[in-house]
Amino acid sequence: AQKVTQAQTEISVVEKEDVTLDCVYETRDTTYYLFWYKQPPSGELVFLIRRNSFDEQNEISGRYSWNFQKSTSSFNFTITASQVVDSAVYFCALSETSGNQFYFGTGTSLTVIP
Amino acid sequence: DTEVTQTPKHLVMGMTNKKSLKCEQHMGHRAMYWYKQKAKKPPELMFVYSYEKLSINESVPSRFSPECPNSSLLNLHLHALQPEDSALYLCASSHRALSNNYGYTFGSGTRLTVV
Repeated sequence: AQKVTQAQTEISVVEKEDVTLDCVYETRDTTYYLFWYKQPPSGELVFLIRRNSFDEQNEISGRYSWNFQKSTSSFNFTITASQVVDSAVYFCALSETSGNQFYFGTGTSLTVIP
Repeated sequence: DTEVTQTPKHLVMGMTNKKSLKCEQHMGHRAMYWYKQKAKKPPELMFVYSYEKLSINESVPSRFSPECPNSSLLNLHLHALQPEDSALYLCASSHRALSNNYGYTFGSGTRLTVV
């Protein structure tokens, strides 16, 4: 079974639109960690955020915000007023304390059209 | 220094060649990883080194040979590769291998093409 599901394979938006990237995870651990990474065309994976399972507060960082809801096992990522530089593949990931694996979702490719 | 540095950035090699990918970090991380990433796919774990010892080998073919000379360096030796091995090879590091709770720091990868 897929531990992390990113149902949106590709999304295109026009610059300045808001966009939400969905992430649904599955785990039996009570303590776990969730992450978002950005992978621009240059290839490197850029860390965006880490959230532990005990902290359900939403977080905002500039134009980025994250909505963590344990009740629905979701950790969604919203970009406000999107820009062309936001074009990238975004990966959601899960780390469980019971194992030593890092589970990536399949990624969402975001294209922001000028 | 909060970076993982990978060299070379691009590599083209023939199927009979021997080459090596290099990875370096100076963050004091004691776990280092090799991932393989095909186009439009998430990274797939290949090897995990913890305190310079190989702790996980995800059934990777022997034509890929990892080496960890010290806590800052990680190499991936390549020999007799196949065209299907063409991919982006990512190196990553973290504080400790069995506690991934702080996430990984990734390098920018080596784009490998096998001809």
